[in-house]
Amino acid sequence: EVQLVQSGAEVKKPGESLKISCQGSGYTFATYWVGWVRQMPGKGLEWMGIIYPGGSDTRYSPSFQGQVTISADRSINTAYVQWSRLKASDSAIYYCVRDGGSGAFDFWGQGTKVTVSS
Amino acid sequence: DIQMTQSPSSLSASVGDRVTITCRASQDINNHLNWYQQKPGRAPKLLIYDAFSLQTGVPSRFSGGKSGTDFTFTISSLKPEDVATYYCQQYDDLLVFTFGPGTTVDIK
Repeated sequence: EVQLVQSGAEVKKPGESLKISCQGSGYTFATYWVGWVRQMPGKGLEWMGIIYPGGSDTRYSPSFQGQVTISADRSINTAYVQWSRLKASDSAIYYCVRDGGSGAFDFWGQGTKVTVSS
Repeated sequence: DIQMTQSPSSLSASVGDRVTITCRASQDINNHLNWYQQKPGRAPKLLIYDAFSLQTGVPSRFSGGKSGTDFTFTISSLKPEDVATYYCQQYDDLLVFTFGPGTTVDIK
């Protein structure tokens, strides 16, 4: 059974750094692109970026380029998104997703809620 | 960047009604169009991929189509469990993805 399991909720202060994770199981992690999607409170879905764990090729949405860093460690089947300096506007639920091969996100993580508040 | 629009932004329909949502891309996306369902408090779920193909395990009352340059998503007979927000999403050959703004469906 394919699963994406994300790290737990985080509460941070503005200016702090953060790295959240997404561990895949039930499939060959290195051979599927893994992406990240943001959902701000009460808002829609925003694609942030995507990485190919088998070669670390990474693409970013123009809206998130330079704001976050996406990485992966295929030895532990885990993808990450990190921030160097959080802002209150980074408060959101972040989902990791698997691209099933048709540019369609066929599996989703359970979401990680990030709260940034002073 | 490719922009996606969806209409309507929300709708209310009766159980058993046929419901159709439209999604339009700002340029040709070669049928690289997917549809998702998100119920409150849950992660989204893929329903339709490549504009027309039903994801495994998804009920057949859901379907995807195309009319001219508009992509359509249809629920043939609305059920109470279909109350959700529905999103279209496109991707291009450079692996840039864009979601539509969403359509909220509820029961009248």
